[in-house]
This record gives sequence, C-alpha cells and structure tokens, in this order.
Amino acid sequence: DAGVIQSPRHEVTEMGQEVTLRCKPISGHDYLFWYRQTMMRGLELLIYFNNNVPIDDSGMPEDRFSAKMPNASFSTLKIQPSEPRDSAVYFCASSYTRTVYHLYRGQSPLHFGNGTRLTVT
Amino acid sequence: KNQVEQSPQSLIILEGKNCTLQCNYTVSPFSNLRWYKQDTGRGPVSLTIMTFSENTKSNGRYTATLDADTKQSSLHITASQLSDSASYICVVTSGARNQFYFGTGTSLTVIP
Repeated sequence: DAGVIQSPRHEVTEMGQEVTLRCKPISGHDYLFWYRQTMMRGLELLIYFNNNVPIDDSGMPEDRFSAKMPNASFSTLKIQPSEPRDSAVYFCASSYTRTVYHLYRGQSPLHFGNGTRLTVT
Repeated sequence: KNQVEQSPQSLIILEGKNCTLQCNYTVSPFSNLRWYKQDTGRGPVSLTIMTFSENTKSNGRYTATLDADTKQSSLHITASQLSDSASYICVVTSGARNQFYFGTGTSLTVIP
C-alpha cells in the first residue's frame, strides 16, 4: 500500500490566488481528515469526512476554505482567496473503523500523508 | 476543557542516552491515547496505543506508560539513536465519536 498520497508537496502562491490541495486516502479507509500544522498551534483539525460525507467542519477557519470528497479515493481542500496567514503545512490523514470484536475497537490509527507545505506571499 | 499538554517542548540528548517525554490530558471521556512520531518533512506515524486498562506498553526501544487516574502518560526512549530525532505527539481519543485531541509535541534532537 502506498499510504496516503498528497499533492503537491510544496505550493508557493501569491496572496489572492486560489490554491487546491489534493489527497488520496488509503483504500478501504472510511474516514478522511484534513489538518493544518504550524509551529505556534501544532496540528489543528480543519474538517473530516466519514464515507465521503463531511461530518465536522467546525475547524475550517472561514469561508475561504472549502473541502470536498467526491468519492472514496479522492479529496480536495481549496483556499480561495489565499492569504499569507494561510501559510502552513496541510496534512491529509485517513483511518478505518474497527469492528467491535477488535481489542482496540473504534478507529484505527491516523495514517498521515507527507503534507503540502503552502507558502502564500 | 479538553486539553493535551506535553513537556518538555524541546529536548537535546546525547546518542545512547535515555529520555522521557510527558503528556498530561484533561480529555473526557477517555477512549485511548496514542503516541506519534513525526520526522522532519513527513507526516506523523503511530508508535503505540494505550487504553484505559493498560499501564505499560513497549515497541522496541520505546516504552509508553499510562496512569488513567492522574491522566498522565509518558514515552520513554532507551539507548537513543540519531534516527530518534523527531517530534513526538501525544493524541487522546475521546468518546463514542472518536474525537482526537492533539498535544503540541516535544521536539527531540539526538546528537552524536
């Protein structure tokens, strides 16, 4: 398994431009998460999906941010228009729901991609 | 308020030495606690999971402990190696909806 795949790895853009980050979760995982990581605040949950349906988007900073998951193998996070304060590393992660017969029932560990480093100038 | 606090914020140790990282949490209800290792430029990777009934768990040179009464966990690294240089993040899972609460991490640097 190739793991969670994110693209691009680096994105440099000017303020006001639209940015689209992409994620391919691990096949068979039913949860997908978007996180943002900064030195000051660590990892912050932006939004997560269960079976392609957005469950909690309370972490999305403002209307400039939107996320979609059109199918089980693809998700996008879009920022429009981008601002310098959006500069951060954005991670996508996926996980799966274990059955009640598993010792560690509940969700599996989060499997993270290697992130997209976004710089907005 | 559900919070996860880690200490120290950063740590520098000599190769071969041991170290212990701390995680205190106020998350309730508690489901489990995981330690993740994040190498520079990579996403975090799960090292170990602790449930309410577990006190100690080892994964090679990593040993995690959990005291559910005091809501504290530690990650002990034995005979450190240069490859242990990374950020270590404590994550507590809560409730039926499996909400994740992240600490801000401890940055460990192992020097020769």
